[in-house]
Amino acid sequence: AQSVSQHNHHVILSEAASLELGCNYSYGGTVNLFWYVQYPGQHLQLLLKYFSGDPLVKGIKGFEAEFIKSKFSFNLRKPSVQWSDTAEYFCAVYSSNTGKLIFGQGTTLQVKP
Amino acid sequence: AAGVIQSPRHLIKEKRETATLKCYPIPRHDTVYWYQQGPGQDPQFLISFYEKMQSDKGSIPDRFSAQQFSDYHSELNMSSLELGDSALYFCASSIRYTADTQYFGPGTRLTVL
Repeated sequence: AQSVSQHNHHVILSEAASLELGCNYSYGGTVNLFWYVQYPGQHLQLLLKYFSGDPLVKGIKGFEAEFIKSKFSFNLRKPSVQWSDTAEYFCAVYSSNTGKLIFGQGTTLQVKP
Repeated sequence: AAGVIQSPRHLIKEKRETATLKCYPIPRHDTVYWYQQGPGQDPQFLISFYEKMQSDKGSIPDRFSAQQFSDYHSELNMSSLELGDSALYFCASSIRYTADTQYFGPGTRLTVL
């Protein structure tokens, strides 16, 4: 079945630690990849996206993600997290086969000051 | 920059009542998507409209209907509300019905008592 899988459901880090959140998908066809962030009580905001070109994409707030086609992965990274990064992070995949934007289960990131 | 507007932001209804949620897309966006996000869950696609026509359908109950109007705003009508309909309902818009980036509104939190 076609799906988007986020490996970590809950991550707890101290400030200044490095972050990597995994995302794998199983869709065929052309895919566009997104990471959204949802701060407590707020709506989904776009962090970054990959459509084509350089597989290493940079987003807002120091986040970046790398698309590895052979591994069907689009992992999110940040070298040094801040307390304000505490939020829910969703990986999402748009597949030309389904015509829909499908979200992963989300990863709750808690950054301790 | 203008964002997606949703109203109301909060709505409390009794079982078996009806509710209407409104969404105003970003100017010049012609595609609207509706998502439902239950507590602690990822957003689930309900339905989308492109140029006032339904373009795709997800896991939307038969009790729900939606439409897009000539000014591109959309309304989600929910009838015979059930306790399980309590959720955050997001609207997103994009510039065209393709794999383009979807921008999300703040959501309407519906509570069914």
